Amino acid sequence: ETGVTQTPRHLVMGMTNKKSLKCEQHLGHNAMYWYKQSAKKPLELMFVYNFKEQTENNSVPSRFSPECPNSSHLFLHLHTLQPEDSALYLCASSQVRGPYEQYFGPGTRLTVT
Amino acid sequence: GQNIDQPTEMTATEGAIVQINCTYQTSGFNGLFWYQQHAGEAPTFLSYNVLDGLEEKGRFSSFLSRSKGYSYLLLKELQMKDSASYLCAVTRQAGTALIFGKGTTLSVSS
Repeated sequence: ETGVTQTPRHLVMGMTNKKSLKCEQHLGHNAMYWYKQSAKKPLELMFVYNFKEQTENNSVPSRFSPECPNSSHLFLHLHTLQPEDSALYLCASSQVRGPYEQYFGPGTRLTVT
Repeated sequence: GQNIDQPTEMTATEGAIVQINCTYQTSGFNGLFWYQQHAGEAPTFLSYNVLDGLEEKGRFSSFLSRSKGYSYLLLKELQMKDSASYLCAVTRQAGTALIFGKGTTLSVSS
């Protein structure tokens, strides 16, 4: 247990569905991140939030929409996804001003059919 | 551009020592991290280096040379449970995302 939880752990959705991924951290951190991990590819940043404000968007398609209502919660809203979006979606958190190590949640395994 | 290189696969035997290398080229540097990831699980933090030199933590040590853009993770007294993927990652600024290499899959055999 790293102090970062994610729900659901597994999700299967059709291309026309709308779903949301949830992340919650219990570590008192103030930075939160979404990463995507596809087979045979490096972990890839999607979004960064510092103190609830989005500070990085790694050219992510608009079918992925993040939301950070407070420093402890992070959502990723999904709509009209493509099969190539099937991957492991990982949430992480850290302190903005150090220590800088990021702690990861267990991930949501997403399959788009 | 950003580039982080590490070997794809390594094998070793129980009780041995293995060194996993990582080279990086990034615009900006605020630290290098090593993570361990078992299949189907989240990455877990192993070490952080921001100054040159060796950081030791039990059976694991990590080394950094900023001038060479080079790091290694040293694993001693290998155990079967050390079979995992080892991810090298760099952060360019405080509070920003990690840039990951593709990971090195280590297989430990008896």
